[in-house]
Amino acid sequence: GENVEQHPSTLSVQEGDSAVIKCTYSDSASNYFPWYKQELGKGPQLIIDIRSNVGEKKDQRIAVTLNKTAKHFSLHITETQPEDSAVYFCAASKRALDTGRRALTFGSGTRLQVQP
Amino acid sequence: KAGVTQTPRYLIKTRGQQVTLSCSPISGHRSVSWYQQTPGQGLQFLFEYFSETQRNKGNFPGRFSGRQFSNSRSEMNVSTLELGDSALYLCASSTSHRGTNTGELFFGEGSRLTVL
Repeated sequence: GENVEQHPSTLSVQEGDSAVIKCTYSDSASNYFPWYKQELGKGPQLIIDIRSNVGEKKDQRIAVTLNKTAKHFSLHITETQPEDSAVYFCAASKRALDTGRRALTFGSGTRLQVQP
Repeated sequence: KAGVTQTPRYLIKTRGQQVTLSCSPISGHRSVSWYQQTPGQGLQFLFEYFSETQRNKGNFPGRFSGRQFSNSRSEMNVSTLELGDSALYLCASSTSHRGTNTGELFFGEGSRLTVL
């Protein structure tokens, strides 16, 4: 099955700096890569996603890049703010051949702390 | 639009008991997935329901089961609870199109189960 590795597990940056979180996946058939942010006591919330026909996607201060050949994708947060502090999860999915359904395989998470 | 609602938010059980968790998806979402979140294993896929039928299943023992009702609300049940079942159980809903789900999940805040 799919395996997603995420690094680093913790990341501390100063407010205004950039933060980068990296993930690798094992199944070359995966074609959808979302990123989720989980704040304390809440469920994960989708912040950005990318499909395999796109190399980069940007939404204000966050961007995701995908390298299909190397099977890795990254989340970039610029001009970090204290409210960016949370746990971030990457994930990968593909449509199963037998069921046609998608399920997400998540990375282990990165705890981002933005110091004011 | 109301989000995904999970009940109860917290519960404590003892080993050997069973538990039922409930999830109400976002209005119009017909696919409901369940995930288990633990510090050691991260977020792991349990199963997905669509049109009252289980469409996809993760690698969990048969003690974990679920069902979906005609209004898309879903329940999951864990029987013969073990200490290792202590976790945050997350429900997520998504739209479905032409027999598959999009992969974009909207999570609830979870039900935190503690097994003593």
